[in-house]
Amino acid sequence: GENVEQHPSTLSVQEGDSAVIKCTYSDSASNYFPWYKQELGKRPQLIIDIRSNVGEKKDQRIAVTLNKTAKHFSLHITETQPEDSAVYFCAASLSGGYNKLIFGAGTRLAVHP
Amino acid sequence: DTGVSQNPRHKITKRGQNVTFRCDPISEHNRLYWYRQTLGQGPEFLTYFQNEAQLEKSRLLSDRFSAERPKGSFSTLEIQRTEQGDSAMYLCASSLADVGSGSPLHFGNGTRLTVT
Repeated sequence: GENVEQHPSTLSVQEGDSAVIKCTYSDSASNYFPWYKQELGKRPQLIIDIRSNVGEKKDQRIAVTLNKTAKHFSLHITETQPEDSAVYFCAASLSGGYNKLIFGAGTRLAVHP
Repeated sequence: DTGVSQNPRHKITKRGQNVTFRCDPISEHNRLYWYRQTLGQGPEFLTYFQNEAQLEKSRLLSDRFSAERPKGSFSTLEIQRTEQGDSAMYLCASSLADVGSGSPLHFGNGTRLTVT
């Protein structure tokens, strides 16, 4: 069935290092790929998204890349800070019928001072 | 705050009882979604409304679950005869247009259900 796989499940970095989270999707017609950040006890919040007609998008220290041929996309966080510590979820839209997002299982990022 | 609002924030109930949750989406959003999130997992799609019409239900949603959006504004999610496996965070989200068009989902803070 339709699914989104996300790796790694946990990621620990030192402050100032870069962090990369990768996702693969199964629906070749997916055309929208958002990333959400969820802090403990809080709602998932959109941090960046990309549409299928774009290969890369950047917003300050956060960037997302998309490879449609390989059906994978990645989140890159540079110059990590302790406040980047959270769970990050990737998602992909499904084609056909009515649109919805399918989420990955999440990556718990810990940034150590 | 004009974001998505959910009530109650927490609900503890005994197995076999019925529970109902409410979601108020962002006012101009006519798309409304319910998701369920268990510990260590991503949000899992349950159902979707466009205005008052329920257009899709997940195969995961048993007949004990029902959702309504009677006037195309707020929505309710009811779980009948709750089971311990229903314990989870129930998230509501809304969007201005179809997600496939790049319209993002905005989530509420969720209702955490504990079934004892």
